[in-house]
Amino acid sequence: SQQGEEDPQALSIQEGENATMNCSYKTSINNLQWYRQNSGRGLVHLILIRSNEREKHSGRLRVTLDTSKKSSSLLITASRAADTASYFCATDQFTGANSKLTFGKGITLSVRP
Amino acid sequence: NAGVTQTPKFQVLKTGQSMTLQCAQDMNHEYMSWYRQDPGMGLRLIHYSVGAGITDQGEVPNGYNVSRSTTEDFPLRLLSAAPSQTSVYFCASSYSFVAEGWYEQYFGPGTRLTVT
Repeated sequence: SQQGEEDPQALSIQEGENATMNCSYKTSINNLQWYRQNSGRGLVHLILIRSNEREKHSGRLRVTLDTSKKSSSLLITASRAADTASYFCATDQFTGANSKLTFGKGITLSVRP
Repeated sequence: NAGVTQTPKFQVLKTGQSMTLQCAQDMNHEYMSWYRQDPGMGLRLIHYSVGAGITDQGEVPNGYNVSRSTTEDFPLRLLSAAPSQTSVYFCASSYSFVAEGWYEQYFGPGTRLTVT
C-alpha cells in the first residue's frame, strides 16, 4: 500500500498566489522529502525534513512536518509559471533493520500566468 | 559532473525480447535504485543497491534483474519483456545510508520503454 499520499491530486492557481500541497503517511519515518518533476524529466530533490524537525525553509519553499498527525505540507509562496510541475513526497520509513524510501503518486501543479 | 546518466532514452521491444537499461553515476554514491513510473501510480521501487556487490529487491522486482559490479554502474535487465513493463524507468543515486535514513536522491533523465 502507498505510504505517502499527496493531496490534492491537482492544483491550479494564478501566478503570485501561494500553493499548498499536503502529504500524509501511515508508519513512523526517519525523514520526509519533497521532489519536483517537470514534464518529461527526472525528479529533482527540493527539501528534506527529518522526523525531529517541525519546519524548514528553502527560498520560496516552506515545509512543515507534524509527526503526531503523520502529515507534511509544502508551501510555495509567490508562485511563478515556472513552478508548474508535478510534486512528490517521499517518506523514508522504518522497515525492521533498514529503511526504504517510498514515493507518493504526486500532485500536478499548474500556475497560470 | 554528468550526474546520473541513463541510456537509451527511448526503446521499443517486442514481447519476449530481453534488454538492459544502463545507468551510471559519477558522484561516487554508494546507493543506487531503479524505479518505474506509471500514470496514476507514482514511482515504485524495483531494485536497489547499497554498494558494489550488494543488491536487494524493492516493491515490484518480478521480471527484472540487477547487478552492481562497480560503484558507478547499475544496469537493469528485463529478462523477457511483457506489455505490463511498458513504463518510464528512472535510475537514482544517493550518498550512503546512515542511521538518519536515506539522503536525497539524484535522478537520471529516464528511459521510456514500450513493449508491444
